[in-house]
Amino acid sequence: ETGVTQTPRHLVMGMTNKKSLKCEQHLGHNAMYWYKQSAKKPLELMFVYSLEERVENNSVPSRFSPECPNSSHLFLHLHTLQPEDSALYLCASSQVTGGVKNIQYFGAGTRLSVL
Amino acid sequence: AQSVTQPDIHITVSEGASLELRCNYSYGATPYLFWYVQSPGQGLQLLLKYFSGDTLVQGIKGFEAEFKRSQSSFNLRKPSVHWSDAAEYFCAVGESTGKLIFGQGTTLQVKP
Repeated sequence: ETGVTQTPRHLVMGMTNKKSLKCEQHLGHNAMYWYKQSAKKPLELMFVYSLEERVENNSVPSRFSPECPNSSHLFLHLHTLQPEDSALYLCASSQVTGGVKNIQYFGAGTRLSVL
Repeated sequence: AQSVTQPDIHITVSEGASLELRCNYSYGATPYLFWYVQSPGQGLQLLLKYFSGDTLVQGIKGFEAEFKRSQSSFNLRKPSVHWSDAAEYFCAVGESTGKLIFGQGTTLQVKP
């Protein structure tokens, strides 16, 4: 599935840097998600935006700040990260139908390394 | 609480052999179930899904899965594995909110 594009694919940053991850979906969906994928752990849902409103924030530290300016774009702003934040960050999108049948489509992810 | 368990963290099979990846779920209502595959350096690709109806569902790349309510299972199968099937496989259950709960994943290695 190539309908969800994430940039950059790789990012190395120091703990004092500020950077942003970008996600764009070309599927006409109206919900977008950020996940964190760390080694040996299940995918962790970080944020959910539905119809451009944040509907879920799973106790994510404030050093991660999401932004959803429209239904096609999602950003994750990063600042003063910790080495344990190094992970693969995945974006997904879906068409929200009000039920459980919405299928999430994933981007290829951004591999983040915090030094 | 809803949960998904994939008992096998790592499986190795020979090319051409059959494959079964196990998935057990805990969910109070009728589950909506998914299998995703992740190749190295890539995102997750949907292999197949179960919403209702026939409990044996067909997916892409020759995969199938069978929903067994009595066993709370949704195991993934393929009759003959190809080297390109080496990847990580994730089972997930869809909640009423649309949120997905993922298992920890099973890494499949294929021997020539």
